[in-house]
Amino acid sequence: QAVVTQEPSLTVSPGGTVTLTCGSNTGDVTSGHYPYWFQQKPGQAPRTLIYETSNKHSWTPARFSGSLVGGKAALTLSGAQPEDEAEYYCLLSHSGARVFGGGTKLTVL
Amino acid sequence: EVQLVESGGGLVQPGGSLRLSCAASGFAFSNYWMYWVRQAPGKGLVWVSRISYDGSTTSYADSVKGRFTISRDNAKNTLYLQMNSLRAEDTAVYYCTSTGASGYWGQGTLVTVSS
Repeated sequence: QAVVTQEPSLTVSPGGTVTLTCGSNTGDVTSGHYPYWFQQKPGQAPRTLIYETSNKHSWTPARFSGSLVGGKAALTLSGAQPEDEAEYYCLLSHSGARVFGGGTKLTVL
Repeated sequence: EVQLVESGGGLVQPGGSLRLSCAASGFAFSNYWMYWVRQAPGKGLVWVSRISYDGSTTSYADSVKGRFTISRDNAKNTLYLQMNSLRAEDTAVYYCTSTGASGYWGQGTLVTVSS
């Protein structure tokens, strides 16, 4: 089964910008991997932020955006807020199956 | 109001079976692929299984293939996960989630496999 990689942890200053990435050991991530991004805060269920690379839900704050950068899927947070401190997971499609990354713990400090 | 409500979790002995349900309301359940995702205590999210909007296509993680079966009843707006031959490593909170433009999650149901 494919392995999906994410930064274990990142720190961003309030108001700052940070990019989380999501790679695959099978090669470049493309739109054909249908990247998803999820946010999970302690004690809560996950929440979907981005689907199929760059599409937002009605509840997704405008400061989050999804893209493909340098052969990886990317989640960019522009203008970080204290409430953005959370674990972030990406999900990729691999031959009919789906694989989560290990998650990125984002600290806003 | 959109809701996904999982049920059916609990304590089961190794080798036992459980059937999870996920009742959907407030959105067009029959239009979306659905996933089961699990999370062991203190660990990350793990994709378990998916099913197409009409139930005709399914896929599974290698770790559950041959033991778990996903299904759905669109008339009842309900998703299921039949889990057989349960192992200690299946202990987790199990979430159902809708995909694509829907993107909803339930609150999860805890499955504990222990003697």
